Amino acid sequence: DTGVSQDPRHKITKRGQNVTFRCDPISEHNRLYWYRQTLGQGPEFLTYFQNEAQLEKSRLLSDRFSAERPKGSFSTLEIQRTEQGDSAMYLCASSPTSGASYEQYFGPGTRLTVT
Amino acid sequence: AQSVTQLGSHVSVSEGALVLLRCNYSSSVPPYLFWYVQYPNQGLQLLLKYTSAATLVKGINGFEAEFKKSETSFHLTKPSAHMSDAAEYFCAVSKGSNDMRFGAGTRLTVKP
Repeated sequence: DTGVSQDPRHKITKRGQNVTFRCDPISEHNRLYWYRQTLGQGPEFLTYFQNEAQLEKSRLLSDRFSAERPKGSFSTLEIQRTEQGDSAMYLCASSPTSGASYEQYFGPGTRLTVT
Repeated sequence: AQSVTQLGSHVSVSEGALVLLRCNYSSSVPPYLFWYVQYPNQGLQLLLKYTSAATLVKGINGFEAEFKKSETSFHLTKPSAHMSDAAEYFCAVSKGSNDMRFGAGTRLTVKP
């Protein structure tokens, strides 16, 4: 069990550029989540996958954001036409389908800075 | 919809003193409750969880939390703080598989 990994760890981009982040969940976990965390706040839910199906999207996920999990394993989060307000830590988490405790295991995050 | 309120955005204690971080929740159904810790520039690490079994839950690093339904609380405690406990702590509530909601966090500072 190598844990949840995210790539890159840091991304600096200019306003208007597109960025893509990758998340590799724990291998046997069917559920995958994306969160956004701004300074001094707790993580805010963005979207959720069960296997390859995207089952829920937050209203925070504007049409500039898109997430995929094509084979039910890794996931990508793309932000198009980045804005300064997109600067945040983007966290990925995964959880197993079995069991009823619904705890989530988090990756180290990708810190995005939009200049 | 469920929500979490963490009282106190910043708590400071002396090394060896009791740590008490407060969390109150709101939920329309019996909740699952969690405490996570976050060190600078890292993701969140699960400290402990409540899943309707024992109301007193023991976690890692000597932390524990007590679920009190009558007070809708799930406060986190540790008898004796260590310098290594300095971090951001988040309380979270969930009623199912896709709806974990986090509090704003409490930054714990430990003074030597």
